[in-house]
Amino acid sequence: AQKITQTQPGMFVQEKEAVTLDCTYDTSDPSYGLFWYKQPSSGEMIFLIYQGSYDQQNATEGRYSLNFQKARKSANLVISASQLGDSAMYFCAMRDYTGNQFYFGTGTSLTVIP
Amino acid sequence: KAGVTQTPRYLIKTRGQQVTLSCSPISGHRSVSWYQQTPGQGLQFLFEYFSETQRNKGNFPGRFSGRQFSNSRSEMNVSTLELGDSALYLCASSSAPNYGYTFGSGTRLTVV
Repeated sequence: AQKITQTQPGMFVQEKEAVTLDCTYDTSDPSYGLFWYKQPSSGEMIFLIYQGSYDQQNATEGRYSLNFQKARKSANLVISASQLGDSAMYFCAMRDYTGNQFYFGTGTSLTVIP
Repeated sequence: KAGVTQTPRYLIKTRGQQVTLSCSPISGHRSVSWYQQTPGQGLQFLFEYFSETQRNKGNFPGRFSGRQFSNSRSEMNVSTLELGDSALYLCASSSAPNYGYTFGSGTRLTVV
């Protein structure tokens, strides 16, 4: 069964607009961590933001924020004021602390249009 | 502060050969994990090491193995290469296993 689901294979956004990338997850472990990574064409995975399952507030890191809805098991990434350099693949990931594994979604390709 | 360094960046091998990939984590990071990324399967967890001990292993055949040295550097070995092993192999390090990881740029392996 898929642990992480990203339903948007590709997304387009106008420069300076905000965009939301969807992510839902599946775990029965009460303790887990959720991550978003950016992978530009160079291949390197760049850590963007982290949300712990017990965190009360949504995580924010600069222009990135994570819309964490625990009951719905969703962890959507919101990028505000999109920039051309934001064009990349974005991966949602979950760290399951019981199974001790890292699960990645299939990714969303974001293209920022000038 | 130097990032995660993976060598080599690119590698071409023939079927049946073996290959060793290297990963130097961020200084002070003791946890290293490896991932295989392919267009068809996406990102898949291979294994994780912490303080020279393998903590967890993904669902890969025994041809895939790894180890971690006392300086936290890690190597991954793939024996009897198959065409399907062509992929981007990513290494990531963390200060502790249950935390976010910093990834390297990867080694792109092509098996011909």
